Amino acid sequence: AQSVAQPEDQVNVAEGNPLTVKCTYSVSGNPYLFWYVQYPNRGLQFLLKYITGDNLVKGSYGFEAEFNKSQTSFHLKKPSALVSDSALYFCAVREGSSNTGKLIFGQGTTLQVKP
Amino acid sequence: DGGITQSPKYLFRKEGQNVTLSCEQNLNHDAMYWYRQDPGQGLRLIYYSQIVNDFQKGDIAEGYSVSREKKESFPLTVTSAQKNPTAFYLCASSTTGAVYGYTFGSGTRLTVV
Repeated sequence: AQSVAQPEDQVNVAEGNPLTVKCTYSVSGNPYLFWYVQYPNRGLQFLLKYITGDNLVKGSYGFEAEFNKSQTSFHLKKPSALVSDSALYFCAVREGSSNTGKLIFGQGTTLQVKP
Repeated sequence: DGGITQSPKYLFRKEGQNVTLSCEQNLNHDAMYWYRQDPGQGLRLIYYSQIVNDFQKGDIAEGYSVSREKKESFPLTVTSAQKNPTAFYLCASSTTGAVYGYTFGSGTRLTVV
């Protein structure tokens, strides 16, 4: 069965420091991987995706993520955090061979960036 | 601009009432989804529809109903059988197979009074 794990409920970083939000997944076949961000009382906004190709994916707002097939991970990173990056982040996976289109979401990680 | 619209933004329900949450998209997406989000929890799938006039139950369908009479619209009814309906409800849509992920609406916060 497909699954996504975000092992940290909350990540705290100081502004200007690099940040990492972790995500590991389990699917059969090649995964389609996504990161979304959610601000309070808003819907989820797309940040980036990995489908195929270069393992390092660049997305919106300076975020990037690295696909690591051997470790089944897709960690979200940013070289220098901003206070405005504080939000709830979700990792999601779709099984590559699936024809249903259903995404499986992780539980979410709250990112707190302190000035 | 293409997008997905949920209304209302806030909704209050009395005990024993049915309420309907609206979700409309003009992205020409075939698939639509409803999720429930509770504080400190992730997204839980209520119902999804991959094509007009067809829909499937998700993980927590009890106490909810949907219809998909038009491609653009996927309303969710929270019935009186749903004992704890207070939550944030998110609608999403995607192309067939969701190769590009989902587009989400801005959500409806439902409160039982």
